[in-house]
Amino acid sequence: ETGVTQTPRHLVMGMTNKKSLKCEQHLGHNAMYWYKQSAKKPLELMFVYSLEERVENNSVPSRFSPECPNSSHLFLHLHTLQPEDSALYLCASSQEAGGPGNTIYFGEGSWLTVV
Amino acid sequence: EDQVTQSPEALRLQEGESSSLNCSYTVSGLRGLFWYRQDPGKGPEFLFTLYSAGEEKEKERLKATLTKKESFLHITAPKPEDSATYLCAVRPYSGGGADGLTFGKGTHLIIQP
Repeated sequence: ETGVTQTPRHLVMGMTNKKSLKCEQHLGHNAMYWYKQSAKKPLELMFVYSLEERVENNSVPSRFSPECPNSSHLFLHLHTLQPEDSALYLCASSQEAGGPGNTIYFGEGSWLTVV
Repeated sequence: EDQVTQSPEALRLQEGESSSLNCSYTVSGLRGLFWYRQDPGKGPEFLFTLYSAGEEKEKERLKATLTKKESFLHITAPKPEDSATYLCAVRPYSGGGADGLTFGKGTHLIIQP
């Protein structure tokens, strides 16, 4: 079993749909993250949760809504997305948020296509 | 502003042909430098963390080194299964996001049989 599990791996949705991405970590970590990865761009941090509280939202549009019900689970709720939101969405976890030497471990990602 | 520049953007090598990938960084102070490997369609896989200039770490055919301005990922006698995108990230003493990291765009490495 991998440390960070994401579902679904692939998602195609229309601009008027509502869908959710799910992430579960089995590493006993206290911090969880959502990143967006687009072609030719560095990884973009979207949201950070530490001990289930959101600590950062990097000016992400409100059509992306995160939820962290406990330290092992993280969701990204999607609604009224735009075609430019098509990307690989990566969930990650670490022992703590931003600590020195803190290693971030990533899931396999969810490929999102907005049509 | 913290910056991470990886070069080259893409590199094609023959199997067995050793080479190096570069990660140049500009930060106010470095708390850690991270290397990840990413296979197509998958999430990044952690490889190494380096903390201070002169430090080296090895894993199979990979060796990462660190100076005050850059890091190198040396690949010795690569095999086709080493083909991937290699990402570099730095954690500064101040600034950065709540994950503390600034990522480069990566180097896409192809090893031909």
